[in-house]
Amino acid sequence: QVHLMQSGAELKKPGASVKVSCKASGYIFSDYYIHWVRQAPGQGLEWVGWINPRSGGTKFAQKFQGRVNMTRDTSITTVYMELRGLTSEDTAVYYCTRDVVNVVVEPATFAHWGQGTLVAASS
Amino acid sequence: EIVLTQSPATLSLSPGERATLSCRVSPSVNSYVAWFQQKPGQAPRLLIYDASSRATGIPARFSGVGSGAEFTLTISSLEPEDFAVYYCQQRSNWPPYNYIFGQGTKLQI
Repeated sequence: QVHLMQSGAELKKPGASVKVSCKASGYIFSDYYIHWVRQAPGQGLEWVGWINPRSGGTKFAQKFQGRVNMTRDTSITTVYMELRGLTSEDTAVYYCTRDVVNVVVEPATFAHWGQGTLVAASS
Repeated sequence: EIVLTQSPATLSLSPGERATLSCRVSPSVNSYVAWFQQKPGQAPRLLIYDASSRATGIPARFSGVGSGAEFTLTISSLEPEDFAVYYCQQRSNWPPYNYIFGQGTKLQI
C-alpha cells in the first residue's frame, strides 16, 4: 500500500532554512506528483507546491516563490522540501501528499498523506 | 483569486442523522472539487475528488455532488467516527496558480 514517511520535527531560528524529507513506498515513485501542504496550529490547510518525480519539474504557490525548493532522489524514492528565511509564520505541520493522478496529466488533488512534520521557527 | 466558502462553520448532529455540507466557489472555475476529512492530530483524508468520485476505501455513505459554483458533501447516516472537520478544495489555473482550501466545517455531536 502507498506509504509516505516524513522526517522528524525541526526547531529553527528565524531566518534559518529547513529541509524536510518524504520517503515514498508502495507504488511506482516516478508515476505520481508529490505535493507539500502545510497547516499552522489551529488553522486550515495551505498548499505550498508540487514536484513531478519523473522530470523533477516543480510548481510553487506564489507566496512561497523564491523561498522554497523541492527536489527528489529517485534512487531512494525520496522527495525534499526546503524552505528558507523562516519566520514565526512558517511554524506549521508540513505534509507531503501523493496526487491521485499520474504525471502524464495535470495534477489534481491529494490522495495519500504523510504523517506530517512539525517545523517551528522561534528564537 | 478563487475563494472557497464553506457552510455552515459548525454543524451539530447526532449519529444516524444526515449531514449536508456546502462549498461555494467564487469565481467558478471548474468542477474539480475535492473533499477531505481531518480528525485531531491526524493528516487529512481524501473522501471525494472530481466533485463526485469516492476515493479508494471511502464508505458509500459519503457522496458528493455539484458543478460550477456550488458543491455539496453528504453523509447519509452519521457514524460516531464521522465527527471531524471537513475541507473542500479546488485547483485554480488562473493567476495565481494555486490549490485552494475552504476554511472548514466542524461536524460535532
